[in-house]
Amino acid sequence: NAGVTQTPKFQVLKTGQSMTLQCAQDMNHEYMSWYRQDPGMGLRLIHYSVGAGITDQGEVPNGYNVSRSTTEDFPLRLLSAAPSQTSVYFCASSDQGGHNSPLHFGNGTRLTVT
Amino acid sequence: EDQVTQSPEALRLQEGESSSLNCSYTVSGLRGLFWYRQDPGKGPEFLFTLYSAGEEKEKERLKATLTKKESFLHITAPKPEDSATYLCAVRISGGSYIPTFGRGTSLIVHP
Repeated sequence: NAGVTQTPKFQVLKTGQSMTLQCAQDMNHEYMSWYRQDPGMGLRLIHYSVGAGITDQGEVPNGYNVSRSTTEDFPLRLLSAAPSQTSVYFCASSDQGGHNSPLHFGNGTRLTVT
Repeated sequence: EDQVTQSPEALRLQEGESSSLNCSYTVSGLRGLFWYRQDPGKGPEFLFTLYSAGEEKEKERLKATLTKKESFLHITAPKPEDSATYLCAVRISGGSYIPTFGRGTSLIVHP
């Protein structure tokens, strides 16, 4: 059971380039989310989804796009990379919206924008 | 203003020196308080969920407790392998399922 898988693990982009961070889960979880983690800032929510075809914005959505065409996959797109998007990105999933369901995290993608 | 505040930001202990980490929250309608452990280069890993004041959960050298406005993660006789960042998160009623995270406490246990 792989859990939540994120690719790539590391990425370097130049300002203005676009890319997609991949996230896949094999636990049949309905809920998926993307966070960024910066030193001293903790985990901040970018976008989330409560099921295939349904997405919503989190705390810091600007510059990012998501879609959810299947239960398993939840890619995060950077439209035009900026140095401020240098961060570690985590994808997480949860099996229901109930209060007793913890998040399962991937091991992150470390992105550097030069 | 942060809804979830963790203290201290960093903590250094000697092996065997017990201590506590604090997570205070200002939200109302708590539906669950979560503790996670995060190792360098890894994603957070779930430890505990607490639901109501007075509740306690234990796992090895860790014990989490909850009051109406804060939670403590007690570490008894820590070992170097307990070194990690510990994250607290709260989920509230009436909101989305997404929890709000604190900024974490970085714990280093020296041998």
